[in-house]
Amino acid sequence: DGGITQSPKYLFRKEGQNVTLSCEQNLNHDAMYWYRQDPGQGLRLIYYSQIVNDFQKGDIAEGYSVSREKKESFPLTVTSAQKNPTAFYLCASSYSSMNTEAFFGQGTRLTVV
Amino acid sequence: QKEVEQDPGPLSVPEGAIVSLNCTYSNSAFQYFMWYRQYSRKGPELLMYTYSSGNKEDGRFTAQVDKSSKYISLFIRDSQPSDSATYLCAMSGDFGTGTSLTVIP
Repeated sequence: DGGITQSPKYLFRKEGQNVTLSCEQNLNHDAMYWYRQDPGQGLRLIYYSQIVNDFQKGDIAEGYSVSREKKESFPLTVTSAQKNPTAFYLCASSYSSMNTEAFFGQGTRLTVV
Repeated sequence: QKEVEQDPGPLSVPEGAIVSLNCTYSNSAFQYFMWYRQYSRKGPELLMYTYSSGNKEDGRFTAQVDKSSKYISLFIRDSQPSDSATYLCAMSGDFGTGTSLTVIP
């Protein structure tokens, strides 16, 4: 089945640690995105990539890093510099840009303990 | 100020009611308008996709775009308990905050 897979579903992190969230798609989409979702704030764009080996900062990139070494994969690292990392993280992909249909993963719930 | 504004609700209606969900936007350059449905603890899924002003119907769902007023709507007819979810409007990658809908049996 084609789709977009995020792992893990739940993740716990101690303060001061970096963690990496996985996002893989087999839809042959060029564009991939990371969003953060907090209650009452909707989806906020962290990073996006429109092509392999290229990515751009979104609205809230501070404290996060990404890589796009393969078309299928777009991992997100939440660094210790992110002051409030507890949130629901969503990865999405689309054929070209966000003007086309976006497919979302099922999300990763990150909790800092 | 956010470019896309959406009333977060929550909205609670009886089964069978007609539901109206709305968003306003400020960027007149937006051309693509989408509605996503998100069930609790899941990723959003695309419900409706429209380009330009007018109406688009798909089963019990109708999406309406009024570019002159910078206003979009999603109507749900004969609402069902399975429609209980958060509905997010999106325009060219900018998302509203989502409206939480509960349909009571």
